[in-house]
Amino acid sequence: GESVGLHLPTLSVQEGDNSIINCAYSNSASDYFIWYKQESGKGPQFIIDIRSNMDKRQGQRVTVLLNKTVKHLSLQIAATQPGDSAVYFCAENIQQAGTALIFGKGTTLSVSS
Amino acid sequence: DSGVTQTPKHLITATGQRVTLRCSPRSGDLSVYWYQQSLDQGLQFLIQYYNGEERAKGNILERFSAQQFPDLHSELNLSSLELGDSALYFCASSPSAEPYGYTFGSGTRLTVV
Repeated sequence: GESVGLHLPTLSVQEGDNSIINCAYSNSASDYFIWYKQESGKGPQFIIDIRSNMDKRQGQRVTVLLNKTVKHLSLQIAATQPGDSAVYFCAENIQQAGTALIFGKGTTLSVSS
Repeated sequence: DSGVTQTPKHLITATGQRVTLRCSPRSGDLSVYWYQQSLDQGLQFLIQYYNGEERAKGNILERFSAQQFPDLHSELNLSSLELGDSALYFCASSPSAEPYGYTFGSGTRLTVV
């Protein structure tokens, strides 16, 4: 299909560990990708984005990697904290589908201290 | 506070009824996007408006309609409500017609009984 999907619905890590959340996409025409974080009862919050002409982008404690060869996107969170516990969504812009972002189902990250 | 305002925060209504959800975009943003998030589901794109005109359409039911007014606020109308329409409805805005810099509101939780 053309929807964005995630490899794992849940991920549990210990505080201080590095977390890696994965996402696979199927449309090679996608040119823009975003990671969002959604805490319980809140709207999705922008974390980091990357365009298809890049392989890697870094933010504060987060890194997004894009592998266009295998159509794979990952979000790395360094030194994971309890406050990072949330649902993480990747989203893509598929040019042929118009200008709206298409979201995957999400990965629930649980951080234990 | 993301700058995107959605009202009401909660809405409980009966099957067969009609409701209107309201969204005020972030100051300066011209695009408004509506998404539906059902329990354990990702965000499903419904519709986008840009500067008052419909720009892109997703999986929006015929019972649902939206519009964007001259002051750029948007309303999502849901009619002939069914139990399955119970969900979180999110609005997002972006500065242009492109999805860069997407900001979400905190959502309206609709419960149909």
